[in-house]
Amino acid sequence: GAGVSQSPSNKVTEKGKDVELRCDPISGHTALYWYRQSLGQGLEFLIYFQGNSAPDKSGLPSDRFSAERTGGSVSTLTIQRTQQEDSAVYLCASSVGLAKNNEQFFGPGTRLTVL
Amino acid sequence: GDSVTQMEGPVTLSEEAFLTINCTYTATGYPSLFWYVQYPGEGLQLLLKATKADDKGSNKGFEATYRKETTSFHLEKGSVQVSDSAVYFCALNTGNQFYFGTGTSLTVIP
Repeated sequence: GAGVSQSPSNKVTEKGKDVELRCDPISGHTALYWYRQSLGQGLEFLIYFQGNSAPDKSGLPSDRFSAERTGGSVSTLTIQRTQQEDSAVYLCASSVGLAKNNEQFFGPGTRLTVL
Repeated sequence: GDSVTQMEGPVTLSEEAFLTINCTYTATGYPSLFWYVQYPGEGLQLLLKATKADDKGSNKGFEATYRKETTSFHLEKGSVQVSDSAVYFCALNTGNQFYFGTGTSLTVIP
């Protein structure tokens, strides 16, 4: 029954390594969003998908960040050559569509720590 | 560009006190407005929303009214409880994107 799930829940990695974060949205939700939440900060929007398409990638912090979505369902956020400033909680959310009345349903997040 | 500005915290109140968390927005279109809450150790969840001017969203004793003339969506509760301790986020949805405020941490002491 599910809500939005994310894996892993925690990830510790060494600087310079690549990481992949996964999001499983609620079944049937066509819109999917990625955010980053740093300690003491609000939510920083990264990217959204409508279906498998990401119309606006301008929120990604650098070209080390990329995201994809396949089959209109699972999405992965990949961070290459991680840096310490990438340490944060990465949140995924989904909604039934892009209509502005729709609420977002959030996953529990992946806490990324880059040593 | 579109944005949300909310009152900085942290806010500490005694139980049964009145709560106001201010939120103002800037939007070129006519967005929907939301308050999300993040309880300690939990994910964000919707608290309430309003989709047009003068709409009042309400849930769990919290209320917020969509004020187009002042571009505001302030969150209020008449009598807070210890269980209301959480971080509260104001947000707007333009249809293309969600914009979140930076969050306001609320601690309610007995």
